[in-house]
Amino acid sequence: DGGITQSPKYLFRKEGQNVTLSCEQNLNHDAMYWYRQDPGQGLRLIYYSQIVNDFQKGDIAEGYSVSREKKESFPLTVTSAQKNPTAFYLCASSRRDSNSPLHFGNGTRLTVT
Amino acid sequence: AQSVTQLDSQVPVFEEAPVELRCNYSSSVSVYLFWYVQYPNQGLQLLLKYLSGSTLVESINGFEAEFNKSQTSFHLRKPSVHISDTAEYFCAVSDVGSGTYKYIFGTGTRLKVLA
Repeated sequence: DGGITQSPKYLFRKEGQNVTLSCEQNLNHDAMYWYRQDPGQGLRLIYYSQIVNDFQKGDIAEGYSVSREKKESFPLTVTSAQKNPTAFYLCASSRRDSNSPLHFGNGTRLTVT
Repeated sequence: AQSVTQLDSQVPVFEEAPVELRCNYSSSVSVYLFWYVQYPNQGLQLLLKYLSGSTLVESINGFEAEFNKSQTSFHLRKPSVHISDTAEYFCAVSDVGSGTYKYIFGTGTRLKVLA
């Protein structure tokens, strides 16, 4: 079955450490996205990519970095510069049409202490 | 700028009662509209979408939503809810032909169905 896989499901890190969240899709979608979800704030876009080797900042990109070396993969690195990294992170993908719905992974819950 | 407003952060309702979850959007251009559902510790799943044509769209599990252009609304309704409908519901919009492939989400409505 096609879908999006995020790993790990839970991640714990010490403050000051960089951490990379994995996102892989086998839906043959060109576009991929990273969202951050905090209680009561909905989903906020961190980065998105419409095609391999290209990506754009979303609304809250500071303290995060991404790469898109393969169509199937869009890893997110949470750097030590992110002031409040503890959150639920969601990866999504879609076709490159504005009427194409997003397909989401099951998320990674990151806790930084 | 685009925005999506879900005024109700939480909606408690008794089982088998009807429910309406409200969604209003602002946009200066034509939009596509979506409702997603999220169960605890999971990602979002598409519930239904409005792209064009009939303003009333339905999902396979009894939910429906009506696009009202004059009121810029896309409220979600179900005539009789089940315990299993307890989840968080998100409304989202994307601009028609924007080329940016960006989706704007509301802050979500937590539906709690009571026995």
